Amino acid sequence: EDQVTQSPEALRLQEGESSSLNCSYTVSGLRGLFWYRQDPGKGPEFLFTLYSAGEEKEKERLKATLTKKESFLHITAPKPEDSATYLCAVLRGSGGYQKVTFGTGTKLQVIP
Amino acid sequence: DTGVSQDPRHKITKRGQNVTFRCDPISEHNRLYWYRQTLGQGPEFLTYFQNEAQLEKSRLLSDRFSAERPKGSFSTLEIQRTEQGDSAMYLCASSPVINYGYTFGSGTRLTVV
Repeated sequence: EDQVTQSPEALRLQEGESSSLNCSYTVSGLRGLFWYRQDPGKGPEFLFTLYSAGEEKEKERLKATLTKKESFLHITAPKPEDSATYLCAVLRGSGGYQKVTFGTGTKLQVIP
Repeated sequence: DTGVSQDPRHKITKRGQNVTFRCDPISEHNRLYWYRQTLGQGPEFLTYFQNEAQLEKSRLLSDRFSAERPKGSFSTLEIQRTEQGDSAMYLCASSPVINYGYTFGSGTRLTVV
């Protein structure tokens, strides 16, 4: 069974204090790994897709990396508006069948 | 087209009643997904459509749940004889192709009292 574990569960940072969120996974036949941001009461917002080990993607203060067993979301000099829950999800499958399994998320709070 | 729309945003119902939610995906997306999310958890997969065909259903989707996507456009999720355990956020998402990130709607929050 696919497993996605995110750590830490919650993270509190001072504005400008860089850090990383971890997503470790066990999945057979990984097709891709997604990162999403979710604000309270809203649906997840797509951030990145990573397809293979060694790949990196960047968007503003966020940088996502992927290895064969885990992914990191690096947040550089965060701002209060970066406060949200960050979700990781893995995709497996082929052809017309695909399955996406989400982790439980890391709740990030950035304090001014 | 401004994204995935879900209606209603909130629904409070009495236990035992039937409820139906609607999702309008991004028009050019042929793949549509329903997820359920409870507080502090990640979204859990319920079902998946490619065009009008329902290709996958989770074990979570008991016989009280049914989903349709007539003509491959909007989709509906119906829950019959609701139970308190059905209280959750029901999320709809769509994507244009496989291996692509999903666009989620804002969800329908269901409260069963």
